[in-house]
Amino acid sequence: DGGITQSPKYLFRKEGQNVTLSCEQNLNHDAMYWYRQDPGQGLRLIYYSQIVNDFQKGDIAEGYSVSREKKESFPLTVTSAQKNPTAFYLCASTQGNRNQPQHFGDGTRLSIL
Amino acid sequence: GQQVMQIPQYQHVQEGEDFTTYCNSSTTLSNIQWYKQRPGGHPVFLIQLVKSGEVKKQKRLTFQFGEAKKNSSLHITATQTTDVGTYFCAGRRFGNEKLTFGTGTRLTIIP
Repeated sequence: DGGITQSPKYLFRKEGQNVTLSCEQNLNHDAMYWYRQDPGQGLRLIYYSQIVNDFQKGDIAEGYSVSREKKESFPLTVTSAQKNPTAFYLCASTQGNRNQPQHFGDGTRLSIL
Repeated sequence: GQQVMQIPQYQHVQEGEDFTTYCNSSTTLSNIQWYKQRPGGHPVFLIQLVKSGEVKKQKRLTFQFGEAKKNSSLHITATQTTDVGTYFCAGRRFGNEKLTFGTGTRLTIIP
C-alpha cells in the first residue's frame, strides 16, 4: 500500500537533547511538509521541501532542522533550541502541482521528560 | 502574514441536527481545501474548491467558496456519529506553495 510512514509514534525527550522524527513516503510525491499541532489548535507549518536537496522554512522553523537527501525521506530534527517541543508532529506529502491534496502520516507525539 | 480563522471552535449537536463551520481568510485565496481529523487520527482530505462562488456536495456535506474567495463554509445535514472529529479548512494564496490551515472546528455528537 502506498502511504506515509512516521516513526516513532511516541517519543520522549530529555531537556537539552536533540531528537529526530522520521518521515518516509512511497507515493512518489515531490513535495513534503512538516506540521506541528498543539491541543485545540490548527496545523502550523515548520518546514517544507518541493524537491530533493532543497527546503524552505515555514511559519515556525526556529528550533527545528530538516534534510531532503532522498525523494522519499524528509526527517525532522527537534533541537534543544526549541523551548516548547511538546506537540503532535505531522508529516505530509503532495504531488508537484500545488492544487493537489496533502496526504498525512499518522503523526509522532513528542513529550518532554 | 496570512491568517485563516474558523468558527466556532467547538460545536456539540444532537444526532440528526445540522452542523456548519465557517472559514475566513485575511487574504484572497487561489483555492481552499477541507480536511477531517478523527480523534487520535491524522487529517484526511475531503475536497478542494477553486472557483469563486463554487458549491460542491458530498452526500450530506455541502462545501461553499465565497464570491470574494476569502471565506468558505462546510455544512453537514442530519449529523451522524461517524461525523465526529475536527474539521479544518486550509487556504492557499496565489503564487504561494504553502497551505495555511484554519484553527479547526471540533464536532461532537450527542446520541
